[in-house]
Amino acid sequence: EVQLLESGGGLVQPGGSLRLSCAASGFTFSSYAMSWVRQAPGKGLEWVSAISGSGGSTYYADSVKGRFTISRDNSKNTLYLQMNSLRAEDTAVYYCAKVARDIVATIREVDYWGQGTLVTVSS
Amino acid sequence: QSALTQPASVSGSPGQSITISCTGTSSDVGSYNLVSWYQQHPGKAPKLMIYEVSKRPSGVSNRFSGSKSGNTASLTISGLQAEDEADYYCCSYAGSSSVVFGGGTKLTVL
Repeated sequence: EVQLLESGGGLVQPGGSLRLSCAASGFTFSSYAMSWVRQAPGKGLEWVSAISGSGGSTYYADSVKGRFTISRDNSKNTLYLQMNSLRAEDTAVYYCAKVARDIVATIREVDYWGQGTLVTVSS
Repeated sequence: QSALTQPASVSGSPGQSITISCTGTSSDVGSYNLVSWYQQHPGKAPKLMIYEVSKRPSGVSNRFSGSKSGNTASLTISGLQAEDEADYYCCSYAGSSSVVFGGGTKLTVL
């Protein structure tokens, strides 16, 4: 059974940093791309970032490019999202998401989601 | 990358069919058969319902179907049931290694 367990969310001041983690199990972690998707309170889903199975290729939404860094440790089956220069508009539930296959030429659909971790950016 | 356009809400009675549209551009929905649909109940994580425009994951009811014409994709739910009441999001690969979601549609089962 695929399980994705996020951690690291919390309250942070504007301009601050936070690192999210996602512990994965139930599948061969290194064989699949992974993504982060966020959802602001009462709003829709927004794709944030994706990373290839090897970790060698990373992709970002324009809204977070240059501020967020996605990474993975395949030896620990763990996905990360380092968030710097946080803004109020980054307040959201952040979902760790398993992509249906590795990234070859396209980013495919998310087939499994974690339960999410809430990040609140406020003074 | 602009969000895909979905109606804010749709409704239907039990047993009826409803269709949710998802309009993008020639750069996303129109260029790739990589449209997916997600169901989200309040306070829960999204669930994949349709992928690659019209394919259903194992375990998803065949009451859910997807299609695409040009820059618009559609999700149809037939034989509406109370448990179908949820938010639905479309999603498409958008080229240049990016992904775009729709704004979401709230389905109410009357």
